[in-house]
Amino acid sequence: DVKVTQSSRYLVKRTGEKVFLECVQDMDHENMFWYRQDPGLGLRLIYFSYDVKMKEKGDIPEGYSVSREKKERFSLILESASTNQTSMYLCASSFPPQLSDTQYFGPGTRLTVL
Amino acid sequence: LAKTTQPISMDSYEGQEVNITCSHNNIATNDYITWYQQFPSQGPRFIIQGYKTKVTNEVASLFIPADRKSSTLSLPRVSLSDTAVYYCLVDPWRGTGFQKLVFGTGTRLLVSP
Repeated sequence: DVKVTQSSRYLVKRTGEKVFLECVQDMDHENMFWYRQDPGLGLRLIYFSYDVKMKEKGDIPEGYSVSREKKERFSLILESASTNQTSMYLCASSFPPQLSDTQYFGPGTRLTVL
Repeated sequence: LAKTTQPISMDSYEGQEVNITCSHNNIATNDYITWYQQFPSQGPRFIIQGYKTKVTNEVASLFIPADRKSSTLSLPRVSLSDTAVYYCLVDPWRGTGFQKLVFGTGTRLLVSP
């Protein structure tokens, strides 16, 4: 079974703090993704990565950066957290040998910025 | 971007068939349609994927008309454990263009006894 783990289930930070969200997958997947999920807006893609050291912007990258130094690990960084970044953050990974990808999601990190 | 539109919520009873429709008018030729299920406090989980016509697996069926501007997820004989949020996703072929990944806002299905 594919396992995607996220470093924290709940996180509370203050405005202006630097925040790191970690995601680890154990299936040697090439692709990894970060989403945020907000009521009424569904899931929105922040960043994704095709491979180590590679990253691409998704739909809403502003205010975020990412790091992928190892294949199994994909980090989301909030350089200076703001209250509008309070959200549920979901990490996913996929390996596409077939026609299209199936994404495997972690349990999510609920981040509150005060 | 291929924006998707789904009903916000649906109600059903145990044992009934539930059909959830998603519209995706701007779907591209190479895009697939994928549906995910999400329970509270969990990440979404893959249910089914298709390109056209009908796809069936042990959990659900997916109907896609010839123009591919919509798709319908069909859950046969739902149970209480099917209460969840269902997301429709327009999925770029072979992972090309993840920038185009667009999840719908989800349909909250409530199954009652």
